[in-house]
Amino acid sequence: QQQVRQSPQSLTVWEGETAILNCSYEDSTFNYFPWYQQFPGEGPALLISIRSVSDKKEDGRFTIFFNKREKKLSLHITDSQPGDSATYFCAPRNMGYKLTFGTGTSLLVDP
Amino acid sequence: DTTVKQNPRYKLARVGKPVNLICSQTMNHDTMYWYQKKPNQAPKLLLFYYDKILNREADTFEKFQSSRPNNSFCSLYIGSAGLEYSAMYLCASRSRDWGDQDTQYFGPGTRLLVL
Repeated sequence: QQQVRQSPQSLTVWEGETAILNCSYEDSTFNYFPWYQQFPGEGPALLISIRSVSDKKEDGRFTIFFNKREKKLSLHITDSQPGDSATYFCAPRNMGYKLTFGTGTSLLVDP
Repeated sequence: DTTVKQNPRYKLARVGKPVNLICSQTMNHDTMYWYQKKPNQAPKLLLFYYDKILNREADTFEKFQSSRPNNSFCSLYIGSAGLEYSAMYLCASRSRDWGDQDTQYFGPGTRLLVL
């Protein structure tokens, strides 16, 4: 049973476009939703996060939209840059210590 | 310094032989994690230490051992490697003082190949 689903598996956008990465989950106890960004040869690093009491979180060009009722969230990357090319993981958590990772979306931004 | 270090970065092991992977952090984090990552799969939590208390996931309970001799170091031990253990192993640490950013800090990983 896959608790956290991400789509698409891979995505290519042109430089300057908006990339939209999707995440859905099943566990209604999840209340914290971080997105991790991973570059080749490196470990994942926290990019942006949202708590379930909010429906939107912005940080520069990165925005999370959260729909608690539908158990869905999305990461929007506006004005995409080649340096944004990476794998993005949605990794929600409940009150415990454990993150539950999705399979990730591999983003390629073409210059 | 928010660096988590892992050694070695690459490890070649023979089937049936033991494997020991090392992780260290100098952030005085109370919780350290080990994940297994295979291509096109989600990182899978294997176990974690909260202070000196080891918590192992039910489905990997007997496959992996770990030790944490002090707050900075954590090891992952495979007693008898099988081909299915070939993967990237990621170590992470997390602070008790979350603030607004509840963050796990990841190391670069150790790529294990079992032949």
